[in-house]
Amino acid sequence: DADVTQTPRNRITKTGKRIMLECSQTKGHDRMYWYRQDPGLGLRLIYYSFDVKDINKGEISDGYSVSRQAQAKFSLSLESAIPNQTALYFCATQTSGSSDTQYFGPGTRLTVL
Amino acid sequence: SQKIEQNSEALNIQEGKTATLTCNYTNYSPAYLQWYRQDPGRGPVFLLLIRENEKEKRKERLKVTFDTTLKQSLFHITASQPADSATYLCALGMGNTGKLIFGQGTTLQVKP
Repeated sequence: DADVTQTPRNRITKTGKRIMLECSQTKGHDRMYWYRQDPGLGLRLIYYSFDVKDINKGEISDGYSVSRQAQAKFSLSLESAIPNQTALYFCATQTSGSSDTQYFGPGTRLTVL
Repeated sequence: SQKIEQNSEALNIQEGKTATLTCNYTNYSPAYLQWYRQDPGRGPVFLLLIRENEKEKRKERLKVTFDTTLKQSLFHITASQPADSATYLCALGMGNTGKLIFGQGTTLQVKP
């Protein structure tokens, strides 16, 4: 089984709908991250969490919210989806060592019509 | 302004040759730099890490250099193979936060 899983893998929704993307990990890592990837723009950080009680905004948090339900679960919500949130979304985990590798999930392709 | 730039155009090389990918940055002072590989439809996979006090790191056919004066990292794949075809991302590590700032990636195509 994969260490970092994301659900759903693909989602098409309409403008104004609420969407939740889920991430689960079995690596036992404290740190978790949400990124979006757009063509030509690379990965941009939306939110990150160093543990269940420590959640921080990244560079592009507007329009998004997160919930860290447990060490293993980190969910990203779009309260009212808009077309420019169409992107590939990745969850990543990391050990508490500051320069350690980030381990990415397979991604969720979200399309907002 | 702060920028991190990788070769925007795809790099096409012949099998067996050395591929060299560039990562340049401005107005950052990274403590370390990482390189990741990303295949279509998949998440990035870590390849190598190099710290600010290191000049060069090697792992099998991979070599990365880090010049903090030039604000540049070079990533080399020697004896390239078609299986090396992918997008390669560099990422700056900004100290002990664990946060990474990613470049937009360079697509490498190795032709048989």
